[in-house]
Amino acid sequence: AQTVTQSQPEMSVQEAETVTLSCTYDTSENNYYLFWYKQPPSRQMILVIRQEAYKQQNATENRFSVNFQKAAKSFSLKISDSQLGDTAMYFCAFMKQGTYGGSQGNLIFGKGTKLSVKP
Amino acid sequence: SAVISQKPSRDICQRGTSLTIQCQVDSQVTMMFWYRQQPGQSLTLIATANQGSEATYESGFVIDKFPISRPNLTFSTLTVSNMSPEDSSIYLCSVRLTDTQYFGPGTRLTVL
Repeated sequence: AQTVTQSQPEMSVQEAETVTLSCTYDTSENNYYLFWYKQPPSRQMILVIRQEAYKQQNATENRFSVNFQKAAKSFSLKISDSQLGDTAMYFCAFMKQGTYGGSQGNLIFGKGTKLSVKP
Repeated sequence: SAVISQKPSRDICQRGTSLTIQCQVDSQVTMMFWYRQQPGQSLTLIATANQGSEATYESGFVIDKFPISRPNLTFSTLTVSNMSPEDSSIYLCSVRLTDTQYFGPGTRLTVL
């Protein structure tokens, strides 16, 4: 069974600085997807970034980027130029890839990291 | 991506009553999911609701407590039956498009 571990329950960062959130996972699968979701106090789960395991290039979305280390089963999220609006719970998640592409099985979540951006 | 709406956004209910949560998606999707998120916790999958088949419940969740309807490819409902204070949570609807899941805004339920 797959598991996702986020070892940092809480983190804080000063506005405009950079912060990295850690995520490790355990799987015997070779093809899968990894995600970071953001859940601000409004409770809406927002997709931040997505990575396909077969791609060596790290995904980036504006100020958000990942460091995907497949052999180490590590998938950290870097937030550059942190903004007050980045204050939220961040969840790392894993999903298997289906035999013919697409997805298979359930989305597996970590326990989350609560990020506070301080002015 | 998908735009998902949920109704109600929040409710306060008395124990022993039932509440039905609605989920509407702006496009046709096969796979829909219902999650529960207890305060300060991660998400727990309640059930998968695919159109044209019975909902599949995860361990610890039963149909009598959480009946689900999926009448078409854009709509689903989750009912929380015979509520107790332990049912106080956020309930989230989610859809999967190919290889990515999107979430609704959630329903915050408080049971007194």
